[in-house]
Amino acid sequence: DIQMTQSPSSLSASVGDRVTITCRASQGISNYLAWYQQKPGKVPKLLIYAASTLQSGVPSRFSGSGSGTDFTLTISSLQPEDVATYYCQKYYSAPLTFGGGTKVEIK
Amino acid sequence: EVHLVESGGGLVQPGGSLRLSCAASGFTFSSYWMSWVRQAPGKGLEWVANIKKDGSEKYYVDSVKGLFTISRDNAKNSLYLQMNSLRAEDTAVYYCVRDPYGAYFDYWGQGTLVTVSS
Repeated sequence: DIQMTQSPSSLSASVGDRVTITCRASQGISNYLAWYQQKPGKVPKLLIYAASTLQSGVPSRFSGSGSGTDFTLTISSLQPEDVATYYCQKYYSAPLTFGGGTKVEIK
Repeated sequence: EVHLVESGGGLVQPGGSLRLSCAASGFTFSSYWMSWVRQAPGKGLEWVANIKKDGSEKYYVDSVKGLFTISRDNAKNSLYLQMNSLRAEDTAVYYCVRDPYGAYFDYWGQGTLVTVSS
C-alpha cells in the first residue's frame, strides 16, 4: 500500500506568515491528492482536491501544488482562524490513505 | 443543503457487534459513492470503507476486511456499517462522508462514537 508522510508534524507561526506543509507519497500518485482542515473539536473540512483545485468557499490564501510523490499545502498569510490540524489524503487507489497530520498553531 | 446524520454508536464489549447508520439528505444519494472514516481519540483520520453509487463495488482498509461490512439502501437514502468482532483499537468517532468519485470527501457528518471496552 502507498504510505503518506506529512511534515512537519507541528508548527508555530505568526499571523501573516507564509506557512508550507509537505506531504510525500511512497509511490507516485499523479495528482490524486486532497487536503483537509480540522479545527479543534470540529469535523474535517475539504480544502483542496486534485492537488491544486480549491474547494468552493475556501479562502484563496490556501493553495496546493505538486504531482507524483511530493505535494505542498501553502497558507499565504496565516490567520488566527487557521489554527487547525491539516491532513493530506491520497486517492490514487484503495486504500484511501491519510497522512499523519500537521498541527498549526499561532506563535 | 447536504446533511449526514450518523447513529448507532455506543459502548460495546470486545468481540461484540454494532451497526452504524447514516441518514443522508439534501442531495441525490444514489448518485454518490459514500465512505466511512474514523478517528481514534486524539489521533488522526483513517478511511475505513467505501461503496459505489449502486452498491456494486466495496472497498475496505486491511484492518477491517472480513470484520466490517459497508452497505447502502438508496431507497431510504441510508448508509450502513456492520461491525463485528470489535476490538479496543476500533474505538473511534466514525464519520459518514460523501465521496464524489470514490476518491475524496466533500461532506462529513458530525460522527458517532464507538467505544470498545469491557
